[in-house]
Amino acid sequence: EVQLLESGGDLVQPGGSLRLSCAASGFTFSSYAMSWVRQAPGKGLEWVSVISGSGGNTYYADSVKGRFTISRDNPKNTLYLQMNSLRAEDTAVYYCAKDRGGGTGGYGMDVWGQGTTVTVSS
Amino acid sequence: DIQMTQSPSSLSASVGDRVTITCRASQSISNYLSWYQQRPGKAPKLLIYAASSLQSGVPSRFSGSGSGTDFTLTISSLQPEDFATYYCQQIYNTPWTFGQGTKVEIK
Repeated sequence: EVQLLESGGDLVQPGGSLRLSCAASGFTFSSYAMSWVRQAPGKGLEWVSVISGSGGNTYYADSVKGRFTISRDNPKNTLYLQMNSLRAEDTAVYYCAKDRGGGTGGYGMDVWGQGTTVTVSS
Repeated sequence: DIQMTQSPSSLSASVGDRVTITCRASQSISNYLSWYQQRPGKAPKLLIYAASSLQSGVPSRFSGSGSGTDFTLTISSLQPEDFATYYCQQIYNTPWTFGQGTKVEIK
């Protein structure tokens, strides 16, 4: 069964850091682009970042560029999101999602995790 | 950045109704558009990719159309499990952007 399982969400103070993980199973992880998408409480979806299957290409939303870093460990089938300089507006449920295609994706996200909650507050 | 605008923001409909949601891009995105369904407290689910291709396992009452800047998601006969929020997303250029969502409620 194809599955994604996020972890690492927590309560953190403004200016703090957090690393999210997403463990993948049931598919050839290195063959697919992977994304992070977030959803603030009561709000819509916001795409955060994407990484190519090889890990060599990454792209970010303007709202997180320079503060967040997406990475992957293909032998461990795990996706990461390192979040630094966190702000209150980063409070959200963070989902990892598998792209339908390889390269840097852009074919639609067909598998999603259950989400992990990040709360930025003092 | 490409802006995606959905209409309406919400609608009320009855079981069996035909429902149409539109999504407009601020510039041409060819057919690089996906549609997602999100039920409360759940992760989004891919319904349509490449503007009109039905994702495997999605009921055939869902269909998508459009190209360029104007797109449509149609539910031919609304079922109880279809009451949810629907999002379009452009994947033509990064940053990929979502529409604001359309909430489909029971009349």
